[in-house]
Amino acid sequence: EAGVAQSPRYKIIEKRQSVAFWCNPISGHATLYWYQQILGQGPKLLIQFQNNGVVDDSQLPKDRFSAERLKGVDSTLKIQPAKLEDSAVYLCASSLIRGVPGLAIHYEQYFGPGTRLTVT
Amino acid sequence: GQQLNQSPQSMFIQEGEDVSMNCTSSSIFNTWLWYKQDPGEGPVLLIALYKAGELTSNGRLTAQFGTTRKDSFLNISASIPSDVGIYFCAGHWETSGSRLTFGEGTQLTVNP
Repeated sequence: EAGVAQSPRYKIIEKRQSVAFWCNPISGHATLYWYQQILGQGPKLLIQFQNNGVVDDSQLPKDRFSAERLKGVDSTLKIQPAKLEDSAVYLCASSLIRGVPGLAIHYEQYFGPGTRLTVT
Repeated sequence: GQQLNQSPQSMFIQEGEDVSMNCTSSSIFNTWLWYKQDPGEGPVLLIALYKAGELTSNGRLTAQFGTTRKDSFLNISASIPSDVGIYFCAGHWETSGSRLTFGEGTQLTVNP
């Protein structure tokens, strides 16, 4: 089974420029997540999609960040304009939500390799 | 938002030694997940826990869901050089739906 695909793997831009990242989730996974991981920290959720609808974007800086998942499969995350503090790894993850009677619903998330963004 | 306290922040051990790390939260969690992240890669899921008290193994790795539902432990037995990396705990607290909260990671170094 193919994993989560992301591109590009690396990007260097100047502040105030724009950048876009692409993600293709594992086939059949309805839920897609974008995370920001600053060096030395754990990933932090930016936005979550269920199919092509937004479930949670409460931690997305909406003045400069946007994301879409138009056909419920692949997704793009955009930053416009970029700031120095946006330098981080941007991770995409997907999950297949499974309900098991009597147990918690399973939300196992599988991550792509990430895009390392450097803003100069 | 909810935070997970993961400790230790870093560990330096000799090959063959056992390793223990843990995560604690002030809130009750419904699930605990343990991930490993190698440099330049995304986190890879190691073990998933769904019930209080659950003890699950994956090769030399063993993880437990604490009985208070506020903590989890990961043990690595007989460490080898390829165990080097950053280990993250993550979990869903009871009212977060599918939002996953991550700890800050434990950097493991194994000296051959």
